[in-house]
Amino acid sequence: DIQMTQSPSSLSASVGDRVTITCRASQSISTYLNWYQQRPGKAPKLLIYTASSLQTGVPSRFSGSGSGTEFTLTISRLQPADFATYYCQQSYGTPPWTFGQGTLVENK
Amino acid sequence: QVHLVESGGGVVQPGRSLRLSCAASGFTFSTYGMHWVRQAPGKGLEGVAVISDDGSNKYYADAVKGRFTISRDNSKNTLYLQLNSLRPEDTAVYYCAKDHSSSCGSWGQGTLVTVSS
Repeated sequence: DIQMTQSPSSLSASVGDRVTITCRASQSISTYLNWYQQRPGKAPKLLIYTASSLQTGVPSRFSGSGSGTEFTLTISRLQPADFATYYCQQSYGTPPWTFGQGTLVENK
Repeated sequence: QVHLVESGGGVVQPGRSLRLSCAASGFTFSTYGMHWVRQAPGKGLEGVAVISDDGSNKYYADAVKGRFTISRDNSKNTLYLQLNSLRPEDTAVYYCAKDHSSSCGSWGQGTLVTVSS
């Protein structure tokens, strides 16, 4: 099974900060990597698919990059609505696909 | 606008069964693969099962293989998950999601399954 490891597990940031979250795969997954945002008590929401494609309706301050085993999600200027937990998910090979353990973005 | 509504959750004793449903609207259901993803209380996300658009291909996580069955009725725009031989570790919110380019593009609000004696 492909294991996904996110870092950090949590971070504290302020509105306007640039935030970067890393996701590493246990083997190469090309660009089959998705990013989700989950606010407390809500369903997850797709932000980025295939490593760098922005889902329709997602603000352009969110961006994704990477290929192979290392990927990043960047929030260029953190907004109040962005305090949430973020998950990566690999979609390489046979589903169901595995998620990372999550990164909590908290208000400093 | 995509709309997914899960139902069927509840409290059930270990070893018993439950069937979850996901009613879909706002898109051509029969042309999309569908996912079930669960989240145990305070924990992360776990892919449970996936079904192809016509129902001919089904995939399961090792943790549920042989106990859970995913199915769909394209005439009713509804996705199902049959949960048998339930264990306490199956306690979670269960989400259905519509596939989007090999991702979970749209999600329902979830339904809580609690397995407890």
